[in-house]
Amino acid sequence: EVQLVQSGAEVKKAGESLKISCRVSGHLFTSYWIGWVRHMPGEGLEWMGIIYPGDSDTRYSPSFRGQVTISADKSINTAHLQWSSLKASDTAIYYCASYGSGSHFEYWGQGTLVTVSS
Amino acid sequence: NFMLTQPHSVSESPGKTVTISCTGSSGSIASNYVHWYQQRPGSAPATVIYENNQRPSGVPDRFSGSVDSSSNSASLTISGLSTEDEADYYCQSFDSSSSQVFGGGTKLTVL
Repeated sequence: EVQLVQSGAEVKKAGESLKISCRVSGHLFTSYWIGWVRHMPGEGLEWMGIIYPGDSDTRYSPSFRGQVTISADKSINTAHLQWSSLKASDTAIYYCASYGSGSHFEYWGQGTLVTVSS
Repeated sequence: NFMLTQPHSVSESPGKTVTISCTGSSGSIASNYVHWYQQRPGSAPATVIYENNQRPSGVPDRFSGSVDSSSNSASLTISGLSTEDEADYYCQSFDSSSSQVFGGGTKLTVL
């Protein structure tokens, strides 16, 4: 069974840095794209970016390029999403999700709530 | 930037059929796969249709998907509606070779 387990909720102040994680088990980590999706309160889903852990090929939405960094650590089957300087507008639930047999997000993490105070 | 436009909300009675549209802002939506996700409150999204019209195992055949090149849109159709279908539904596709996008989401109410 493929499982994506995300790190716990975070409460941070504006200007602080943050790195959240998504640990994958149940399939070959290096062979499937993993992406990150933002869900702001009362808003829709936003596609942030995606990484192929096998060669670290990373694609970003133009809206998020330069705002976040997506990475993958093959040694621990974990993908990361990080910010160097948080803003209050980064307050949201962040989901990681992985491709499976097709070209869609077949497997999802439980979400990580990030709360940023100004 | 490429956008996918969905109706903000739809409502229908139990047992009826509803169709949710997803219209591309430019180009040809038929050039790339369209996927559909269901998200219930407090839960992560889950795929109900992938690659235009494929249904994951475990998703009832009441759910179907299609793409219409003439209107540059994709559609998710749910028949035999039940209250358990109440959720937000999102379409997703590529907006370039390196980026993807979700539609704005449609809130389905079954009443």
